[in-house]
Amino acid sequence: AQSVSQHNHHVILSEAASLELGCNYSYGGTVNLFWYVQYPGQHLQLLLKYFSGDPLVKGIKGFEAEFIKSKFSFNLRKPSVQWSDTAEYFCAVYNNAGNMLTFGGGTRLMVKP
Amino acid sequence: EPEVTQTPSHQVTQMGQEVILRCVPISNHLYFYWYRQILGQKVEFLVSFYNNEISEKSEIFDDQFSVERPDGSNFTLKIRSTKLEDSAMYFCASSKATGSFNNEQFFGPGTRLTVL
Repeated sequence: AQSVSQHNHHVILSEAASLELGCNYSYGGTVNLFWYVQYPGQHLQLLLKYFSGDPLVKGIKGFEAEFIKSKFSFNLRKPSVQWSDTAEYFCAVYNNAGNMLTFGGGTRLMVKP
Repeated sequence: EPEVTQTPSHQVTQMGQEVILRCVPISNHLYFYWYRQILGQKVEFLVSFYNNEISEKSEIFDDQFSVERPDGSNFTLKIRSTKLEDSAMYFCASSKATGSFNNEQFFGPGTRLTVL
């Protein structure tokens, strides 16, 4: 069975600080990996996704993530966060065989102005 | 930009009652999903639906749950006899396709179900 771990449950940063949120997965097959974001009071939105090819994926709002197959990781990064990045961030792996997403536990990010 | 919509945003019900949660997926999407998130826990897959059939379901999706696409636009989740532990946020999602292309799932805003 596949699983996804996000090690940071809560992160507090000041504006302009750099961000890295960890995500590790366990899955034996070909992986498609996603980061979703949920802003306060809003629905889950896709930040970025990895299917194949370049392991460094760029998403919206200046976010990027790097797929490191040997480490089973897909960490999310942003060089300089803004107050508007305050949200909950979810890493997810797509199971091609079962057509489902398996989510990590989420990381709540608070950015102080 | 097209969105997945869900109604109601919040549903309060008594234990043992039936509830129906409604979703309108994005119109040209073919695959539909329900997920739930119990407070403080992970988002969990419940069921996927394609071509008027369940294509995959999790262990959570027992006989108390059912899904239906009653018309060309709505996708519903029914819980026949709610239990306290069914209290959660329920998310509907849809995608154009599956596999490794166009499998991005678009999520609705969720319905918060509270069972008393």
